[in-house]
Amino acid sequence: GAVVSQHPSWVICKSGTSVKIECRSLDFQATTMFWYRQFPKQSLMLMATSNEGSKATYEQGVEKDKFLINHASLTLSTLTVTSAHPEDSSFYICSARDLSSGREKLFFGSGTQLSVL
Amino acid sequence: AQKVTQAQTEISVVEKEDVTLDCVYETRDTTYYLFWYKQPPSGELVFLIRRNSFDEQNEISGRYSWNFQKSTSSFNFTITASQVVDSAVYFCALSESGGSQGNLIFGKGTKLSVKP
Repeated sequence: GAVVSQHPSWVICKSGTSVKIECRSLDFQATTMFWYRQFPKQSLMLMATSNEGSKATYEQGVEKDKFLINHASLTLSTLTVTSAHPEDSSFYICSARDLSSGREKLFFGSGTQLSVL
Repeated sequence: AQKVTQAQTEISVVEKEDVTLDCVYETRDTTYYLFWYKQPPSGELVFLIRRNSFDEQNEISGRYSWNFQKSTSSFNFTITASQVVDSAVYFCALSESGGSQGNLIFGKGTKLSVKP
């Protein structure tokens, strides 16, 4: 079964509204989670690294005020797209790093399709 | 600069055919890691393999096999006797950050369609 739960799977919103996407690790603690963005027929692009209890690290070109990341617990990271516009429409996918076995494993969520009207 | 190129955008095969997905990478580091992921229609990425730059041994796992050639900077993925369930988008990825899967550079993916 899935070990990383991402919610919602899809969301349609009006331009100017904010949308929150949740990423949960279900049976392990994830001090680090990652957020990616994927345009149709394009690759995944890392947006930011979410660290539990500290500020997220954003990749170059990603607006931190636009894409707010909160990682308040060891099992939950949220991405909020603030004042969404049609150009923010994309597939957003998270991943969580599991170090519990002594060897790094990365598990991905099932993604969120965001459509901004 | 780091870069991963998957030249094949889409491939269509008939069930039981063998298919090879190409991946060419660029990096200036001597230590790096290469990955393959599968993204089925449901969206989540499924980890398939991780290979470090010092290990050029080819690997076979069931119907899957990988051919790592440092001389040509390629890390190709072959599915033998393909099945309909293999239909997905496959991504090749590169990491220079000590193998961390978080700091991955992905290729654009190859969409594989296996028809019955």
